[in-house]
Amino acid sequence: DTAVSQTPKYLVTQMGNDKSIKCEQNLGHDTMYWYKQDSKKFLKIMFSYNNKELIINETVPNRFSPKSPDKAHLNLHINSLELGDSAVYFCASSQDTVAAVTDTQYFGPGTRLTVL
Amino acid sequence: AQSVTQLGSHVSVSEGALVLLRCNYSSSVPPYLFWYVQYPNQGLQLLLKYTSAATLVKGINGFEAEFKKSETSFHLTKPSAHMSDAAEYFCAVSGRNQGGKLIFGQGTELSVKP
Repeated sequence: DTAVSQTPKYLVTQMGNDKSIKCEQNLGHDTMYWYKQDSKKFLKIMFSYNNKELIINETVPNRFSPKSPDKAHLNLHINSLELGDSAVYFCASSQDTVAAVTDTQYFGPGTRLTVL
Repeated sequence: AQSVTQLGSHVSVSEGALVLLRCNYSSSVPPYLFWYVQYPNQGLQLLLKYTSAATLVKGINGFEAEFKKSETSFHLTKPSAHMSDAAEYFCAVSGRNQGGKLIFGQGTELSVKP
């Protein structure tokens, strides 16, 4: 069983479109994250949720909107896609990093987004 | 504020040789430090972490790292490289009251020659 799964694995779309990436974890964790990895492999956190509550909201354009319908899911919706949004997006989860900041984060396989 | 610097974007070693990947951190609060590995086209996997207990931390696959406060370093080592160690390695820092936010270094690509 995959611990942290993401769909789709690849996403190719035109500028200006709206797209969503879904993330699910079956580890029973309370905290979930979205990270962006750019073409130089630099990783930066975007958001985190703890038990459906937004905890971290980095300086990300408001075209990006995370949604957590329950603590096992954290989806990322992106409006009006731009060329610079092309990257690999990773979802991750941890037991409860708000209470235990050293909890291991488990990463999904990533979604490669290409904006044409 | 916290930051991580990984010295060397690419390191190449021969199979059986010592692996040394360098990581220096900057943190205004006591740091928690992590090493993650990313194999091609995969997500990140935790190798080891320093959480203010023992300064020498042992991880998976024979890797270890030593926290040196005086040098603000957390270098990753493995005595003998294996071909399967070829991957991208990331050092990351976090701290109390950071909500689990990991700040990553720019990564070091490790190549292993036969």
